[in-house]
Amino acid sequence: DTAVSQTPKYLVTQMGNDKSIKCEQNLGHDTMYWYKQDSKKFLKIMFSYNNKELIINETVPNRFSPKSPDKAHLNLHINSLELGDSAVYFCASSPFGLAETNEQFFGPGTRLTVL
Amino acid sequence: AQKITQTQPGMFVQEKEAVTLDCTYDTSDPSYGLFWYKQPSSGEMIFLIYQGSYDQQNATEGRYSLNFQKARKSANLVISASQLGDSAMYFCAMREGQGSGNTPLVFGKGTRLSVIA
Repeated sequence: DTAVSQTPKYLVTQMGNDKSIKCEQNLGHDTMYWYKQDSKKFLKIMFSYNNKELIINETVPNRFSPKSPDKAHLNLHINSLELGDSAVYFCASSPFGLAETNEQFFGPGTRLTVL
Repeated sequence: AQKITQTQPGMFVQEKEAVTLDCTYDTSDPSYGLFWYKQPSSGEMIFLIYQGSYDQQNATEGRYSLNFQKARKSANLVISASQLGDSAMYFCAMREGQGSGNTPLVFGKGTRLSVIA
């Protein structure tokens, strides 16, 4: 019973293609995130959603479009893929409001390689 | 300006020894939370320990403890009795606004720890 799941785990594609990464959490959390980890292992927030509503968009190119059909899902669609999009993309979720730790639970990551 | 600074790109430690991984942070928010995550070579992000800015005592979780020095804005991770399985990347992260569940984490650049037999 995985808490935060992502599909696919690996994605290899050509420049210019459009691809999607799916994320689902079964923790009942209201807030979900997408983070990007670059080749130097640096993790940076891309988007956050609270109860299907976009809260944060960290100046990500508009080729990246997150979609939250319900609060348990946050998908990431990427148009016209570029070489620089190659990275590991992590989905995460956390409870909203006061919580003991507000720990963020991470998915296993999706390694995207653009050729 | 960097909000989270990890000055040690790489560290080595002998098995069964203790090791301290450094983390300093920068915030003007009186409420914040500090986290440490472990990322083994398999790639997943594993939560280790949390320290809230108002917590009076240093956090501990098994072999992990957080040396929280608020005035110095440091939150160093101490791993006692290192094991070979502790070899991984370790990330310090901060969330500003403790209790604000929709604030994303800001990460440091990480420290790669290698445990030597």
